[in-house]
Amino acid sequence: GAVVSQHPSRVICKSGTSVKIECRSLDFQATTMFWYRQFPKKSLMLMATSNEGSKATYEQGVEKDKFLINHASLTLSTLTVTSAHPEDSSFYICSAREQGRDTEAFFGQGTRLTVV
Amino acid sequence: QKEVEQDPGPLSVPEGAIVSLNCTYSNSAFQYFMWYRQYSRKGPELLMYTYSSGNKEDGRFTAQVDKSSKYISLFIRDSQPSDSATYLCAMTLSGGYQKVTFGTGTKLQVIP
Repeated sequence: GAVVSQHPSRVICKSGTSVKIECRSLDFQATTMFWYRQFPKKSLMLMATSNEGSKATYEQGVEKDKFLINHASLTLSTLTVTSAHPEDSSFYICSAREQGRDTEAFFGQGTRLTVV
Repeated sequence: QKEVEQDPGPLSVPEGAIVSLNCTYSNSAFQYFMWYRQYSRKGPELLMYTYSSGNKEDGRFTAQVDKSSKYISLFIRDSQPSDSATYLCAMTLSGGYQKVTFGTGTKLQVIP
């Protein structure tokens, strides 16, 4: 199946700093990628839809100035958590569906962010 | 009412049992249905992907979709301890740009 690679898998940062998470589709192109957040023992919460070449679409309640999304190419989307706070500590996961096809969504391995 | 309802469990079964996991949904426009398995602190792993009503089998896994009842199921035969994980149902509309809507996940434990 298609592969989505997410990096880093784990990051620890200090409060007030910014952290960038990358999501790459390795063997397919994706005009749309999705960013999720998952709290312990909870399901996936969609944060935003990343669109190649245009602005991301954020879900209600998600601060777009805090969670910056850049979809620079058909295989790469980045999520930057700006001015991180301890409450931003969570598991962040990206997913992608292949461009032009009604395929299943493939997920990255996830990034465990800890803000200290 | 949530768009997708899934019993959170936990569900505990003995090794070798048949497991039935279910989801109901309210949006009749959903066309694509998926089941994911997620181990602790890992990204979800796709297990099954179906489009039409009916059954789809892959090894020990069978996915069942009943669009008229807005009900989907995942059956696991001869369950193994390695199947212990959280299982998420998911569904989406047509179009690669459409977001995927998830159930809350069912935690399964298979006891040796």
